[in-house]
Amino acid sequence: DAGVTQSPTHLIKTRGQQVTLRCSPKSGHDTVSWYQQALGQGPQFIFQYYEEEERQRGNFPDRFSGHQFPNYSSELNVNALLLGDSALYLCASSWGTFLNTEAFFGQGTRLTVV
Amino acid sequence: ILNVEQSPQSLHVQEGDSTNFTCSFPSSNFYALHWYRWETAKSPEALFVMTLNGDEKKKGRISATLNTKEGYSYLYIKGSQPEDSATYLCAYTTINDYKLSFGAGTTVTVRA
Repeated sequence: DAGVTQSPTHLIKTRGQQVTLRCSPKSGHDTVSWYQQALGQGPQFIFQYYEEEERQRGNFPDRFSGHQFPNYSSELNVNALLLGDSALYLCASSWGTFLNTEAFFGQGTRLTVV
Repeated sequence: ILNVEQSPQSLHVQEGDSTNFTCSFPSSNFYALHWYRWETAKSPEALFVMTLNGDEKKKGRISATLNTKEGYSYLYIKGSQPEDSATYLCAYTTINDYKLSFGAGTTVTVRA
């Protein structure tokens, strides 16, 4: 079992550009959530996808959007990048909801905006 | 308390010593409390998921307790080893939520 895989692992973008991050969930999992971890903080919830729909969204602007595909993989898109978007982006998968089951995380994508 | 708070932010432990640290969270609408261990350059790994007041869970030398009425959880490491060096994150979720709300973590460094 490959677990949760994210790509790319690192990338550098310029302010104003757009970026797409990808996540493949653990086999058997149907729910994908995205988190942003800024330096010195805990991961902050961006949104969760289930059955190809956004089920819940955190306090992030509309520049952050996502998608879930029929095979449960997911993308996170960020438009009009700001310097403050520089962070580690984590993908987490689970079967159903997180409420009483563990989430499995990928290693993250380190985004640097210059 | 309005958000998840973890203390201390960091601690250094001598190999063989035991240690513990705290996670505080809002007690209203509580549903589950998660603990994760996050080693450098790796993925966060789930340690425990606890849902009931008074829950106690154990995995090897690591154990955790939960008090949902007062909104706190303790994580204990017995006989710390260098491989226990990591950041330990706690996260809670409510009955109305699909998200995990994380604390900033406690970074443990075990000195040989």
